[in-house]
Amino acid sequence: EVQLVESGGGLVQPGGSLRLSCAASGFIFSSRAMSWVRQAPGKGLEWVSGISGSGDSTYYADSVKGRFTISRDNSKNTLYLQMNSLRADDTAVYYCAKVVEPHYDFWMDVWGQGTTVTVSS
Amino acid sequence: EIVLTQSPGTLSLSPGQRATLSCRASQTVTYRYLAWYQQKPGQAPRLLIYGASSRATGIPDRFSGSGSGTDFTLTISRLEPEDFAVYFCQQYGSSPQTFGQGTKLEIK
Repeated sequence: EVQLVESGGGLVQPGGSLRLSCAASGFIFSSRAMSWVRQAPGKGLEWVSGISGSGDSTYYADSVKGRFTISRDNSKNTLYLQMNSLRADDTAVYYCAKVVEPHYDFWMDVWGQGTTVTVSS
Repeated sequence: EIVLTQSPGTLSLSPGQRATLSCRASQTVTYRYLAWYQQKPGQAPRLLIYGASSRATGIPDRFSGSGSGTDFTLTISRLEPEDFAVYFCQQYGSSPQTFGQGTKLEIK
């Protein structure tokens, strides 16, 4: 069974940093791109970042470019999102999602349960 | 970036009725690269449709997708109680991929 389990969310002050993790199991992790998608309270979905299966290519939404860094450790089947210079509008549930192809720009067939990030003083 | 506009914002129907949800793109969606997701309160999104009309694994055949270019539709032929949820469309044909704002399907 394919599973994605996020962790690392929490309460952080504006300007602070947080690192999210997503542990994957049940598929060949390195053969699939992965994405982070977030959902602010009561709002819709926003794609945040994507990474190719090999980890060689990364992509970011303009809203997080320069502040967030996506990475993966294929030996540990784990996806990461390093979030720096956090702002109040980064408050959201962050989902990791498995992309159906090695490149990130396809649909996502499995999603984790999400981890909540709250940016507030 | 491509803006996806979903309508209606809220759809009130009864079990057994047919639901038609619309997703309109601000530009042509390349290769019909459009997906639909269902989200229930407190849960992660669930893939329903990809490539505009292909059902994901395990999705009942009462769910169908259609459309091309800028206009896409998700149809639920006979609503079951478990179908009442929020539905999002996503385009992945142009970077960055984008989502619609969602349609809430509620019980009348």
